[in-house]
Amino acid sequence: DTEVTQTPKHLVMGMTNKKSLKCEQHMGHRAMYWYKQKAKKPPELMFVYSYEKLSINESVPSRFSPECPNSSLLNLHLHALQPEDSALYLCASSQDDRENYEQYFGPGTRLTVT
Amino acid sequence: GQSLEQPSEVTAVEGAIVQINCTYQTSGFYGLSWYQQHDGGAPTFLSYNALDGLEETGRFSSFLSRSDSYGYLLLQELQMKDSASYFCAVRDKNTGFQKLVFGTGTRLLVSP
Repeated sequence: DTEVTQTPKHLVMGMTNKKSLKCEQHMGHRAMYWYKQKAKKPPELMFVYSYEKLSINESVPSRFSPECPNSSLLNLHLHALQPEDSALYLCASSQDDRENYEQYFGPGTRLTVT
Repeated sequence: GQSLEQPSEVTAVEGAIVQINCTYQTSGFYGLSWYQQHDGGAPTFLSYNALDGLEETGRFSSFLSRSDSYGYLLLQELQMKDSASYFCAVRDKNTGFQKLVFGTGTRLLVSP
């Protein structure tokens, strides 16, 4: 099984809402990632979890809050978002966080903030 | 920091060969990766070059020249399903190589 799953596929939320994005992998990978991708742009890293600990936060605003409950799950909690936060949010995992391990991406959650 | 430049768009016909270039500037280099992303889909890993030279995987090949800070992805016998965006990527030395930095992306359009 080389699949990373993400739910929901689509999400529309208001600026005062609280919602969560979920990501799951069962490949035994110990590194998990959140990316944000705007249309016609490359994915941009937001957070890296390595062995269930947050190892990189790319100066992401606090209205985005990641959580890694266990080695298979990764959540992204959203609160008080802005319309410019509308994007495709991608989760990825890799065997480890070292340089030569490929990353497996989930299909993403397309988020619209109204 | 890292920067990777790619042509924004490439067009070709079915059966043809196309080359997508990537030039990079990095503070430390640990190899060049290539990812494919169809519209509305997830990026999928295609290849990784750590050393100079050509790596071949079926219809796709990837080349790296570290002295020229340059690489390319070569797609042969193009098929309609190859229409997608292609990204080169490197690891960022400043984060202990945990961070994957993507290039600007090349949109490949394959026509009949």
